[in-house]
Amino acid sequence: AQSVTQLDSQVPVFEEAPVELRCNYSSSVSVYLFWYVQYPNQGLQLLLKYLSGSTLVESINGFEAEFNKSQTSFHLRKPSVHISDTAEYFCAVSPRATDKLIFGTGTRLQVFP
Amino acid sequence: KAGVTQTPRYLIKTRGQQVTLSCSPISGHRSVSWYQQTPGQGLQFLFEYFSETQRNKGNFPGRFSGRQFSNSRSEMNVSTLELGDSALYLCASAGGSVTDTQYFGPGTRLTVL
Repeated sequence: AQSVTQLDSQVPVFEEAPVELRCNYSSSVSVYLFWYVQYPNQGLQLLLKYLSGSTLVESINGFEAEFNKSQTSFHLRKPSVHISDTAEYFCAVSPRATDKLIFGTGTRLQVFP
Repeated sequence: KAGVTQTPRYLIKTRGQQVTLSCSPISGHRSVSWYQQTPGQGLQFLFEYFSETQRNKGNFPGRFSGRQFSNSRSEMNVSTLELGDSALYLCASAGGSVTDTQYFGPGTRLTVL
């Protein structure tokens, strides 16, 4: 079985400050790793994913995440946040043999001016 | 390409009734997955259909069922509704390979009174 833990339910931060959203997972099989973002009253959008290869993956809007196999973590970082980054962020894993996504409970990122 | 569409967007039902939700995937996508999102339980996987066959199933009671048609459109049915079934139901479509990105629709918000 798989599980995902997002250690912070809310992260308040000022605009242009750096941010890290933490994600740890547990799995008895190899998994793919994902970060999704949900803006208010919208569906989920893929932010970035790790399938294989380089452990550092980047999104087009400045977020990055690093897969750490020994610590079973996939933390999301951004060096300088914008007001528009205010949203809920979900970490998810998918067993490599399936399309099934197992989500964490989400982290609400609130960016203040 | 048009995104994933879900109908209806909002629905109000009473306990004991049944409901059918519809999902139209992105053109060319053959996999459709359903998720339930609630404040208490977060995002939970319901089931996945690929080429009209259920390929994966989550841990939900038999009151929750689904099907997929030859054009890849999918429906989800919940019978004998309970108050706890109130949730945002999200549909996601993908190409069918386990490495394909899942694209989410805006969801159907079901309220059970």
